[in-house]
Amino acid sequence: KQEVTQIPAALSVPEGENLVLNCSFTDSAIYNLQWFRQDPGKGLTSLLLIQSSQREQTSGRLNASLDKSSGRSTLYIAASQPGDSATYLCAIFGDSGNTPLVFGKGTRLSVIA
Amino acid sequence: GAGVSQSPSNKVTEKGKDVELRCDPISGHTALYWYRQSLGQGLEFLIYFQGNSAPDKSGLPSDRFSAERTGGSVSTLTIQRTQQEDSAVYLCASSLVPTYEQYFGPGTRLTVT
Repeated sequence: KQEVTQIPAALSVPEGENLVLNCSFTDSAIYNLQWFRQDPGKGLTSLLLIQSSQREQTSGRLNASLDKSSGRSTLYIAASQPGDSATYLCAIFGDSGNTPLVFGKGTRLSVIA
Repeated sequence: GAGVSQSPSNKVTEKGKDVELRCDPISGHTALYWYRQSLGQGLEFLIYFQGNSAPDKSGLPSDRFSAERTGGSVSTLTIQRTQQEDSAVYLCASSLVPTYEQYFGPGTRLTVT
């Protein structure tokens, strides 16, 4: 059974810092990996989707990497801003696209002005 | 275009009552998923629909939970004889081939008193 772990559970940084959020998974036979952001009381916003054949994806100040062999993904946020404060969730597709996502419990990020 | 919508946004019900939660997926998306997010529990899969195939109900926690998807579009999640442990945020997502990237609605917050 796939298990997804996110470390750290919470992180507080000053504005302007670059930071890395970590996600690890136990079964390397994954289809895709998706990173989400969740603001308090809101739904999930998709940030980046990495397909299993890719090693990284970039969107603006965000860069996500995937290393299937080691069961790891990282989300890099450059020049953090207070508006980046949210919970970041990593989710794994199973061995095909038509499978439910398995989620980590998230990293709660606070960026202090 | 329009995203995934869910209604109601909040629902308070008494223990033992039945509730219906509605999800309108993104037009043209073939797959629809229901997840539940409980305080401190993270996101867990409940049920998913793919086209005209039989739904995958493997995540439903008990036979009090059921869901249907009419005309390949709108879905309704029904919880019968609600219990206090059913209190959670119920999230719906839809996706489309070939990436299967999942897009989430804002959720329905269910409180059972």
